[in-house]
Amino acid sequence: EPEVTQTPSHQVTQMGQEVILRCVPISNHLYFYWYRQILGQKVEFLVSFYNNEISEKSEIFDDQFSVERPDGSNFTLKIRSTKLEDSAMYFCASSPGQGNYYGYTFGSGTRLTVV
Amino acid sequence: AQKITQTQPGMFVQEKEAVTLDCTYDTSDPSYGLFWYKQPSSGEMIFLIYQGSYDQQNATEGRYSLNFQKARKSANLVISASQLGDSAMYFCAMKGSGSRLTFGEGTQLTVNP
Repeated sequence: EPEVTQTPSHQVTQMGQEVILRCVPISNHLYFYWYRQILGQKVEFLVSFYNNEISEKSEIFDDQFSVERPDGSNFTLKIRSTKLEDSAMYFCASSPGQGNYYGYTFGSGTRLTVV
Repeated sequence: AQKITQTQPGMFVQEKEAVTLDCTYDTSDPSYGLFWYKQPSSGEMIFLIYQGSYDQQNATEGRYSLNFQKARKSANLVISASQLGDSAMYFCAMKGSGSRLTFGEGTQLTVNP
């Protein structure tokens, strides 16, 4: 079964530091996403990415966030200057298309702790 | 805007019994999809079942079925013959126009032996 791979599984960083979260989506999928889940809360959409550009972003996805597909396989989320409130589980997901019937495949998540 | 409401923060069920997890939604999109995901304590998100807004039949996947009542805007998940491994957080989500999935608050299911 194809899967979405995320690294690292856990990351601890100092407030103000930059972090890069990495994802390898399923190889024939075209749409890529980042979501986050603050501990004990619901999953929130951050951004969707298609054809090497952002197709949709939420109000959470401000200037301190950026996404990139640096090569044919990786998809990254960068947080430029981390804040305590960025501590959360970050999920990468991918889907083969954008229609409503296309489910997402989620990765196992990266748990980010900002101290 | 889309909204998903899960009114049951926690549910308990005896092993081998059936349980229904409630989900209501609100959207102005004429076409949409409804999804259920399972999140065990390890944290990953596992896709369970999908229902399209124009599907005539309720979706089923093994022990999971989705009780879709379009007029009531509800999409309840039914788990039959509960197992201890079903203990997890369950999220209802929807996707309309646009690319984002909108999630509910989740229901923590505990299966008792």
